[in-house]
Amino acid sequence: GDSVTQMEGPVTLSEEAFLTINCTYTATGYPSLFWYVQYPGEGLQLLLKATKADDKGSNKGFEATYRKETTSFHLEKGSVQVSDSAVYFCALISGGSNYKLTFGKGTLLTVNP
Amino acid sequence: NAGVTQTPKFQVLKTGQSMTLQCAQDMNHNSMYWYRQDPGMGLRLIYYSASEGTTDKGEVPNGYNVSRLNKREFSLRLESAAPSQTSVYFCASSDAWTGEQPQHFGDGTRLSIL
Repeated sequence: GDSVTQMEGPVTLSEEAFLTINCTYTATGYPSLFWYVQYPGEGLQLLLKATKADDKGSNKGFEATYRKETTSFHLEKGSVQVSDSAVYFCALISGGSNYKLTFGKGTLLTVNP
Repeated sequence: NAGVTQTPKFQVLKTGQSMTLQCAQDMNHNSMYWYRQDPGMGLRLIYYSASEGTTDKGEVPNGYNVSRLNKREFSLRLESAAPSQTSVYFCASSDAWTGEQPQHFGDGTRLSIL
């Protein structure tokens, strides 16, 4: 079945540092890939998505590129802010899972001033 | 913009009690989902409804039932609550049963079972 593996947290950075959160996947066919963000006490919000190979999703300074050859969708941001502190989830949808979202376990990011 | 609304936001139950978690969306979405979130486990799908009138089991359906009341509403019922069902429950909806449409989440129901 489908699966998503993302780097274990927690990740602690200083403000303006570079962020990478690794995400790799196993899926049937050609999945769509997503990053969701969960701020404390809130539900998940879509951060960005990519639906085919080599697509780059971007939003709020975050980027991720759909790499089919390495089955990866790593999240990056050039300069993090304290307000980026949250839990980040990598996820996919594929026809092999009957279009149900499969989530990674989440990575807690804390950004210190 | 309400989006996905879940009620209640918090609930404490005793073992064996029953309750229904309510979810409503105002985006005219066809598909709706119930997840539970536990520490270190990510989100796991309990039940989903691909369209009005249909429901199917997800990854962890045991101990739960669902009702797709109409296109807007999708409820989750615990018939006899157990401590293992202590969790944060999220409802979500999406526009279509395809691979490209993102899911929109409610703010969650924090449920404790003593």
